[in-house]
Amino acid sequence: ILNVEQSPQSLHVQEGDSTNFTCSFPSSNFYALHWYRWETAKSPEALFVMTLNGDEKKKGRISATLNTKEGYSYLYIKGSQPEDSATYLCAFQYNNNDMRFGAGTRLTVKP
Amino acid sequence: GAVVSQHPSWVICKSGTSVKIECRSLDFQATTMFWYRQFPKQSLMLMATSNEGSKATYEQGVEKDKFLINHASLTLSTLTVTSAHPEDSSFYICSAGRGQIAKNIQYFGAGTRLSVL
Repeated sequence: ILNVEQSPQSLHVQEGDSTNFTCSFPSSNFYALHWYRWETAKSPEALFVMTLNGDEKKKGRISATLNTKEGYSYLYIKGSQPEDSATYLCAFQYNNNDMRFGAGTRLTVKP
Repeated sequence: GAVVSQHPSWVICKSGTSVKIECRSLDFQATTMFWYRQFPKQSLMLMATSNEGSKATYEQGVEKDKFLINHASLTLSTLTVTSAHPEDSSFYICSAGRGQIAKNIQYFGAGTRLSVL
């Protein structure tokens, strides 16, 4: 059974706070780890694809790290803004075609 | 680029009727399309994977005759929920992939919320 766990399930922060959340996945059969950002009533949008242990990716105030040996990835948001409010999904890809999604972390940034 | 349109976004139907959901890639050719289902506070669960011109591959536990998938072109896949029942009420979302490009990033539609009365 492939378990992809995301924590916390939800998070409320104040504007300007920095925050981070976790995606845990199996440490075997690793192919890639994906992060998506999903705003309400919109399509999930790809943020990062990471393939190598130790990868760090950054897009503006959002960054992600990857540890394939221990099976986790962190997503960081620096100086959260209300427009960062969304559900952040990670997906563990374990071969060329198959991915398993986590349930997401729902972030709410209060002005 | 890489926009996927899903229609309708919301549908209410009577028990026993069939509902068709469309998923279109608007500005690229999708070699593979995926259909997911999501229950409240749970993960996106893959239902089936479809490649243009061939039969869909269904995940274990997903009824092929219940959820009919057609992928007739490189830009369109449809999911038909046949003889819908209240337990089929859920959120359905499609995505499209461009094969090996960019490590299999999937481009998602905005989803369809189905309510069966």
